[in-house]
Amino acid sequence: QQPVQSPQAVILREGEDAVINCSSSKALYSVHWYRQKHGEAPVFLMILLKGGEQKGHEKISASFNEKKQQSSLYLTASQLSYSGTYFCGTDIVVKAAGNKLTFGGGTRVLVKP
Amino acid sequence: ETGVTQTPRHLVMGMTNKKSLKCEQHLGHNAMYWYKQSAKKPLELMFVYSLEERVENNSVPSRFSPECPNSSHLFLHLHTLQPEDSALYLCASSQDAGLAGQETQYFGPGTRLLVL
Repeated sequence: QQPVQSPQAVILREGEDAVINCSSSKALYSVHWYRQKHGEAPVFLMILLKGGEQKGHEKISASFNEKKQQSSLYLTASQLSYSGTYFCGTDIVVKAAGNKLTFGGGTRVLVKP
Repeated sequence: ETGVTQTPRHLVMGMTNKKSLKCEQHLGHNAMYWYKQSAKKPLELMFVYSLEERVENNSVPSRFSPECPNSSHLFLHLHTLQPEDSALYLCASSQDAGLAGQETQYFGPGTRLLVL
């Protein structure tokens, strides 16, 4: 069962903030966030493990609410370079190698000057 | 550049053709993946190889046949494809560091496939 991302799209002015949510119907072990620009490969942003850990990457941070089975990605003081499609990938199984990620439908972010 | 290369970058093929997609990772990783990315659909995991053994096959039609000859190379052999198979095919790799669930997957740029 793929996770559900919301919103599907968001338009921001440079410097504004946004939140992207990723919700699962199953208990999660980890959540992986990626950003993909048009015509390019998805680029890894961060991994969150169950335990409610919060992480950051530049001015992008994320949280993982184990009880709600949800992760949120926070874009703070957005920059033009933040434009792209953000995907969350969720993992419900603990494996030694070759983790199986199920990806959400993506959230398109457009940051305007 | 993520250290994962894919060739060709673009491919047009007829339904009766046989072609192969190639992926090479220069990161020393021990797990490799094939994903399909269609318009308006989430990334779909197709195959996972760990230590050159297939550990996951996500109910993919037999017209897609993966091959992993060594830990650095991954192929996807295509034959008698359908127009609905047109998509971006992404390869990824990761390293098992003994920390389950914490492997970062590094993606290649993808092969954009069009089946006529």
